[in-house]
Amino acid sequence: VLTQSPGTLSLSPGERATLSCRASQSVSSRFLAWYQQKPGQVPRLLMYGASSRATGIPDRFSGSGSGTDFTLTISRLEPEDFAVYYCQQYDSSLWTFGQGTKVEIK
Amino acid sequence: QLQLQESGPGLVRPSETLSLTCTVSGGSISSNNYYWGWIRQSPGKGLEWIGTIYYSGSTYYNPSLKSRLTMSVDTSKNHFSLRLSSVTAADTAVYYCARSPRPTTASDSSPYLRAFDVWGQGTMVTVSS
Repeated sequence: VLTQSPGTLSLSPGERATLSCRASQSVSSRFLAWYQQKPGQVPRLLMYGASSRATGIPDRFSGSGSGTDFTLTISRLEPEDFAVYYCQQYDSSLWTFGQGTKVEIK
Repeated sequence: QLQLQESGPGLVRPSETLSLTCTVSGGSISSNNYYWGWIRQSPGKGLEWIGTIYYSGSTYYNPSLKSRLTMSVDTSKNHFSLRLSSVTAADTAVYYCARSPRPTTASDSSPYLRAFDVWGQGTMVTVSS
């Protein structure tokens, strides 16, 4: 099970966003990913291997963590970053998504 | 450029079987570098992994859906399919198909491993009488 917190993050453009993803048991950071989903759109892969950005993802996005605790950080929020973010992990032939964190404009 | 396209009925009656197909274009489904998966999203809810298939036919299912789920692959048509039986209103969702890069060795350091890097546009399926 992946648990994301907080459920909703209310921030202003230019602020820093810190999103948490906690696994119920240790997972390989090789197989920890983050996605961004805007309303009415398909999820987009942001990060893979816990800390590597997918192609085209700006460097204000960063990921970290290991074991059971992982973090997605957006250093300075741009208007287009307000969205829902999901973490996802793979372990023992099962893929699992967290329930999501909504980053909304304060 | 790889593209995935879901197709199938938008309305399914309760207790019947939901069937969807994902057609892959711009690449071969028979690559040993990829799995192919299904993910769904109920209205206003988060993402739920349904299952994943390899071109050889090996399948990996969400335990919560396993008893009702069958996935298959047709390499000659370059598509893979989903069948979910005994549907209820709780199965109403947008269904996405997606590609998941597969490690080919234990030390494989290729990008995007076990993530879903290419997605279809999604198809809305409503379960209703």
